[in-house]
This record gives sequence, structure tokens and C-alpha cells, in this order.
Amino acid sequence: AQTVTQSQPEMSVQEAETVTLSCTYDTSENNYYLFWYKQPPSRQMILVIRQEAYKQQNATENRFSVNFQKAAKSFSLKISDSQLGDTAMYFCAFMKINFGNEKLTFGTGTRLTIIP
Amino acid sequence: EAQVTQNPRYLITVTGKKLTVTCSQNMNHEYMSWYRQDPGLGLRQIYYSMNVEVTDKGDVPEGYKVSRKEKRNFPLILESPSPNQTSLYFCASSSGVGLYNEQFFGPGTRLTVL
Repeated sequence: AQTVTQSQPEMSVQEAETVTLSCTYDTSENNYYLFWYKQPPSRQMILVIRQEAYKQQNATENRFSVNFQKAAKSFSLKISDSQLGDTAMYFCAFMKINFGNEKLTFGTGTRLTIIP
Repeated sequence: EAQVTQNPRYLITVTGKKLTVTCSQNMNHEYMSWYRQDPGLGLRQIYYSMNVEVTDKGDVPEGYKVSRKEKRNFPLILESPSPNQTSLYFCASSSGVGLYNEQFFGPGTRLTVL
């Protein structure tokens, strides 16, 4: 079974600064996907970024980038030039590659507050 | 607009009173799934369905039932709700074809069982 650990329950940062959210995971799978989801106060689950484990290059989406360390089983999210709209709960998630259950295994979340 | 809808969005009920939370998607997706979100636990999968009439248990299926009679609908049934089923529930769907299929989440249903 897979597990995902987010060791920072809460974080806060000043607007325009950079913040890094940590995530580690445990799996015996070699091929899988990793995700960061954002959950704002509206509770909607929004996909922020995706990383394929077979790709060495770190994924980037505008101000969001990841540091994927496969050997260390680490997958951190960096938010640059943070904005007030980034205030949300962030979940790290794992999905193994198969043609069956597309289950996402989530971490416990990090509540991020951007301070004006 | 492509979307996953859930109803109701909020529900307060009492122990033992059967209820159904509906989930519907308009993207012709084959795969659908239910999660519950609890503080300190993240989201956990309850049930999933790979196609019509094909359903299976996730990690926390106890106390829940599902059905998939039509491709677009995947209702979650609580036959005899208990207070430990108080939670935030999400339905998700994806096309179910290929190696990676983005999952689309519904807006969530906040359930309180007294």
C-alpha cells in the first residue's frame, strides 16, 4: 500500500514571497503519478500540477513548480511570487499507473495562508 | 460546461435515516469514484466504478453502498447513517482510458449525522 506524508499542517508566508510545501511518499511501485491539489475555502479540489515518475524533469506550471526526488521519495511544491488567492489547503497525492482503479492516495494536507 | 455535480451540497440528518447523495457527470466518463475528507486524514476512497454495473470497494467502504446503472450517475447510499459518517464527500470522474486521465471533482457534499 502507498502512503503520503505531509509534515507541515500549517504554513504562512508574506505576499510575493516564495514558499515550499513538503511531501514524502512510500511505495514499491516504479511507475506512478504525483499530484498537488489545491482546496480553497470554496472546498473545490483543483489540480495544481502533475509529475510522472518516469520523467526526470521537474514539472512547472507558471508560478508553481515541483522538486521531484524519486530516490528519496520526495515531492515538494514551490510557489513563487505568492498571491492572496493562493491561500488554501494543499494536498499531495499519489496514483499508481494501472488500467484499473484510478485511486488517488492523499496526504493529510498543508493549510497555507498568504499574509497581505 | 463539462462538470461533475453533487446533490445536496449540505445535509443534516439523524442517525439511521437512509439518505442518498447523487453524483452526475456530463463528460461521458467511464470511471467514477467517491471520497470522504476528514480533518487530519486527507481524502480517502470509499467506492469506485470502472463502468456501468462495475463497482468495487475502496479503502473505507463500510456503511456505504453505490450503484452504477447509468454511465453518468454514481449515487452514494447510506442505508443507516451514523455520526462517524459526518464528513465532506467528493465525487470524481475521469475518462478511464489510457495511462493518465485527469480526475474531475464535484463541489463536495457536507454531511452531518446527529
